[in-house]
Amino acid sequence: GAVVSQHPSRVICKSGTSVKIECRSLDFQATTMFWYRQFPKQSLMLMATSNEGSKATYEQGVEKDKFLINHASLTLSTLTVTSAHPEDSSFYICSAATGLNNQPQHFGDGTRLSIL
Amino acid sequence: EDKVVQSPLSLVVHEGDTVTLNCSYEVTNFRSLLWYKQEKKAPTFLFMLTSSGIEKKSGRLSSILDKKELSSILNITATQTGDSAIYLCAVGVNSGNTPLVFGKGTRLSVIA
Repeated sequence: GAVVSQHPSRVICKSGTSVKIECRSLDFQATTMFWYRQFPKQSLMLMATSNEGSKATYEQGVEKDKFLINHASLTLSTLTVTSAHPEDSSFYICSAATGLNNQPQHFGDGTRLSIL
Repeated sequence: EDKVVQSPLSLVVHEGDTVTLNCSYEVTNFRSLLWYKQEKKAPTFLFMLTSSGIEKKSGRLSSILDKKELSSILNITATQTGDSAIYLCAVGVNSGNTPLVFGKGTRLSVIA
C-alpha cells in the first residue's frame, strides 16, 4: 500500500531554534500534502495544504511566517517551524494525496516536537 | 461549515465484546468517508466508503455508509486489547486534493 515517510520522528531542541520536518511519499506522486497538528487527546487540526509547485494554503490562525511550507517536488514537502518556542511543542503529522477521488490520504508517522 | 461528529467519545469494553462506533456528517459536496485507527503514532487507514449500503470488511472490522442518514458505523467484533486506539472518522469533500474533515475521534479501550 501507499507509504508516506516523515522525518524526524522526534525532535527536542532549545527555544529559538528552527526545525525542519520532511514528508515524503515513497511509492506514489503526491500532488497535494497536508500538514496537521495534534495536541494530546485531541483530534487532528489542519494547518495548511501544500500543493506541488505553488504556495501553500494556510488555515485561519496559522502564521505562514512561523510555519514555512515548501513542496518542491511531487514526493517531498517540508514544514519548517521557525524560531520555535515551547508553545509550538506538539505532534505534527503530514498526509499525502494522489489527487484521485478514489484514493485515500495516507499519513506519515508524525513528528513529536518538544521545545525546551 | 462542514462538520463530522463521532460518538461515543470514549468507550471501555472487555475482550471479546463487539463494539459499534458511530460517525455522522454534515458537509457540502460529499465525496467519501474514511475510517482511520490511531495508536501512538499517526493514523493508519482502515476503510474508504463512497457508496451507501455496501459493507467493507477487513478481518474483525467492518464498516458501512448510509448516505440517506449521513452516517457510517464501524464495527469491531471479538475485540482484543490490541484494538485499543483512537478511531477517527473523516469525510472527503470536493476533490481528492481537498483536506479531509475529521471528527474528534472515539477512544476505545479494550481491557482483558
